[in-house]
Amino acid sequence: QQQVKQSPQSLIVQKGGIPIINCAYENTAFDYFPWYQQFPGKGPALLIAIRPDVSEKKEGRFTISFNKSAKQFSLHIMDSQPGDSATYFCAALYGNKLVFGAGTILRVKS
Amino acid sequence: DAGITQSPRHKVTETGTPVTLRCHQTENHRYMYWYRQDPGHGLRLIHYSYGVKDTDKGEVSDGYSVSRSKTEDFLLTLESATSSQTSVYFCAISESFSTGGKLFFGSGTQLSVL
Repeated sequence: QQQVKQSPQSLIVQKGGIPIINCAYENTAFDYFPWYQQFPGKGPALLIAIRPDVSEKKEGRFTISFNKSAKQFSLHIMDSQPGDSATYFCAALYGNKLVFGAGTILRVKS
Repeated sequence: DAGITQSPRHKVTETGTPVTLRCHQTENHRYMYWYRQDPGHGLRLIHYSYGVKDTDKGEVSDGYSVSRSKTEDFLLTLESATSSQTSVYFCAISESFSTGGKLFFGSGTQLSVL
């Protein structure tokens, strides 16, 4: 009920490609869905977030797509760059507790 | 890292010894959290605090205790460390209940229990 399932575990794309990371949840009480980006040796940092009454949100090259009926959401990175290489975590908020997916290690090859 | 300092940054200890990790914030945020990060598990909540002396358990709280005697400090204690507690520990803060999804993380503590 409290889980967020994230896939794939790792992803390699060429520069300019569009990596897509998917997440799924079961608990319909989740009401806020952020994505965090983490570089090696650093703590995660909030990247972009969406509420379940919105189907899509864009911030720069990052887009979240949200499908409430399917209980799925995904992160798309347009025109990916080597600097986007990082670990990405989806998450879902229940009350004031954030539940994280297992993470996706993204490598963008130049 | 948003005025969050974790100490120590690295620690090696032996099984059975007590360990205390410290998180200090200068943002005056009400909520503080301790997470552990392990490969394949993402970040899992250990304990959190919603005010001075107010704490509650997360999903992986067994073997851990916390204390918050001041707004700015949140301590995580492993009473008797075990090898399964080898992990990277992150402290995080958020301003209010309504911003609970907007966490600011510290740089982490790498703990190795031998």
